[in-house]
Amino acid sequence: GQQVMQIPQYQHVQEGEDFTTYCNSSTTLSNIQWYKQRPGGHPVFLIQLVKSGEVKKQKRLTFQFGEAKKNSSLHITATQTTDVGTYFCAGIYNFNKFYFGSGTKLNVKP
Amino acid sequence: DSGVTQTPKHLITATGQRVTLRCSPRSGDLSVYWYQQSLDQGLQFLIQYYNGEERAKGNILERFSAQQFPDLHSELNLSSLELGDSALYFCASSARDRHTEAFFGQGTRLTVV
Repeated sequence: GQQVMQIPQYQHVQEGEDFTTYCNSSTTLSNIQWYKQRPGGHPVFLIQLVKSGEVKKQKRLTFQFGEAKKNSSLHITATQTTDVGTYFCAGIYNFNKFYFGSGTKLNVKP
Repeated sequence: DSGVTQTPKHLITATGQRVTLRCSPRSGDLSVYWYQQSLDQGLQFLIQYYNGEERAKGNILERFSAQQFPDLHSELNLSSLELGDSALYFCASSARDRHTEAFFGQGTRLTVV
């Protein structure tokens, strides 16, 4: 069945270092969303990617959707302590089946 | 504040019992989604309603049911509760029926003892 794999599970970085999390699906996605969840908080929508090969940027965050629409990545440049949290991808199949990745927990050391 | 309201914030109940979780979407949003977040299962999509109709179903158990009322608020009913149902239950809303930007509520933490 459909499944979205996300790696790594944890990432510890020094402030100022870059960070990347990856999501992969065995089948083609219709679109993919990214969320951030701070400790003790609720998921907050970051972005949605729909087109094959799409790249979107939000300040220090760069989101990519693979050409085959089976993988995606989130890259943060020069991390800050405010980036701490868990980043989830959510793969959507046929526009209505929604599967979250297991999340990547990011810790940033000042 | 996302504009999505969930009540109650915390709920402690015994195994075998039935509970109802309530969600009020953001003003104007027609879609409501329910999610379960537990330590071992991660974040799982349960069900989506759009303008009162069931739109999509995820990994929702038969013991669980949901509905969306004419005023667009939604309720998630969990019955014959088991210890493994202990989790954080999130509701989210979005403007349209397809998965667009979704705004999450603060969640209801359910503890089954």
